[in-house]
Amino acid sequence: KNQVEQSPQSLIILEGKNCTLQCNYTVSPFSNLRWYKQDTGRGPVSLTIMTFSENTKSNGRYTATLDADTKQSSLHITASQLSDSASYICVVSLFSGGYNKLIFGAGTRLAVHP
Amino acid sequence: ETGVTQTPRHLVMGMTNKKSLKCEQHLGHNAMYWYKQSAKKPLELMFVYNFKEQTENNSVPSRFSPECPNSSHLFLHLHTLQPEDSALYLCASSSGTGVGREQYFGPGTRLTVT
Repeated sequence: KNQVEQSPQSLIILEGKNCTLQCNYTVSPFSNLRWYKQDTGRGPVSLTIMTFSENTKSNGRYTATLDADTKQSSLHITASQLSDSASYICVVSLFSGGYNKLIFGAGTRLAVHP
Repeated sequence: ETGVTQTPRHLVMGMTNKKSLKCEQHLGHNAMYWYKQSAKKPLELMFVYNFKEQTENNSVPSRFSPECPNSSHLFLHLHTLQPEDSALYLCASSSGTGVGREQYFGPGTRLTVT
């Protein structure tokens, strides 16, 4: 069964600290993996996308890693800011039935406190 | 941010009401999607339209009826809903449904069924 599991479910950190969010998947055949940020009351916005051959991708203070052998990904946030408070969703793509199908994780809810 | 718009942003309806959700994309995309996001659950794909043709119906109950009059507009007609249908309904669009095509999400409609 195609699944994406994320941990932790929620996380509280202090402003300026770093944190790492985890994603494990059992999706096959794998196409690519994205991390989305979803602010409260808004739609998800893509942060990074990685294909099978990429094992790291950065977007400012966000760095995603991918280990396709162990089917694990992580999102590292450096020097957190209050605006980083949001849900972070790991999404794995597979090409099925003629279109790019997205399998979503349940997300990690991050709260950054001053 | 304004590439995909959704109206209304909030909707409260009784179980016997009929209402419609509207989505409009200004990105020149040809594929549009409806997703349901329930609390603490992954996004669930409901429908996919590509060039106005429905290409995916993810076993959605008939009380949800989609309509795609053109590549820029997508509707979700609602009737005789149940309280468990209360959720955030997200619309997305992409430039095709092939591998690697990023989906851009709207802000969602928060639906409450009473």
